[in-house]
Amino acid sequence: DAGVIQSPRHEVTEMGQEVTLRCKPISGHDYLFWYRQTMMRGLELLIYFNNNVPIDDSGMPEDRFSAKMPNASFSTLKIQPSEPRDSAVYFCASSSPGTGNYEQYFGPGTRLTVT
Amino acid sequence: GENVEQHPSTLSVQEGDSAVIKCTYSDSASNYFPWYKQELGKRPQLIIDIRSNVGEKKDQRIAVTLNKTAKHFSLHITETQPEDSAVYFCAASSNNNDMRFGAGTRLTVKP
Repeated sequence: DAGVIQSPRHEVTEMGQEVTLRCKPISGHDYLFWYRQTMMRGLELLIYFNNNVPIDDSGMPEDRFSAKMPNASFSTLKIQPSEPRDSAVYFCASSSPGTGNYEQYFGPGTRLTVT
Repeated sequence: GENVEQHPSTLSVQEGDSAVIKCTYSDSASNYFPWYKQELGKRPQLIIDIRSNVGEKKDQRIAVTLNKTAKHFSLHITETQPEDSAVYFCAASSNNNDMRFGAGTRLTVKP
């Protein structure tokens, strides 16, 4: 298995622009998580899906952030408009706890820089 | 919601010594406690986990202990090696949902 795939790996954009981050979970996993990592705030859970349905988005910082999961193999995290304080590494993770394995498998992350 | 606190934030040990990292959690419903290791520029990777029906788990040089009454759990690394140098995160969740991470511990193992 290729593991969790994220794209792009690096994104540099100007303030005010729309940014879309993409994630392909491990095939067969029914949970998908989006995290943001910064030095100041550490690893924060933004939102998670179960069977493509958003379960908890209380971690989404503002209305500028939105996430979708149109099917079991694809999810997006969109920031519109972006701001410099959104600069961070964004991780996607997936899991399949119904198998008895609770491990969340992380993707390589997308390093976002907003100038 | 769950709140996880982790200590210390940095830890420096001599190669061969032991390292201990401690975490506390607030939600008594939490029943899954993983530990992740993150090397510089890499993704977090699970190194060991424990569920609430177990008090201790060991995997070679790594062990985790859980005290449900006190709501704290600890990571123990014995015979540390330079390659153990990384940032370690504890986390807590209820049935893998809504996982909350500690702030991380930067471990440095000096050769």
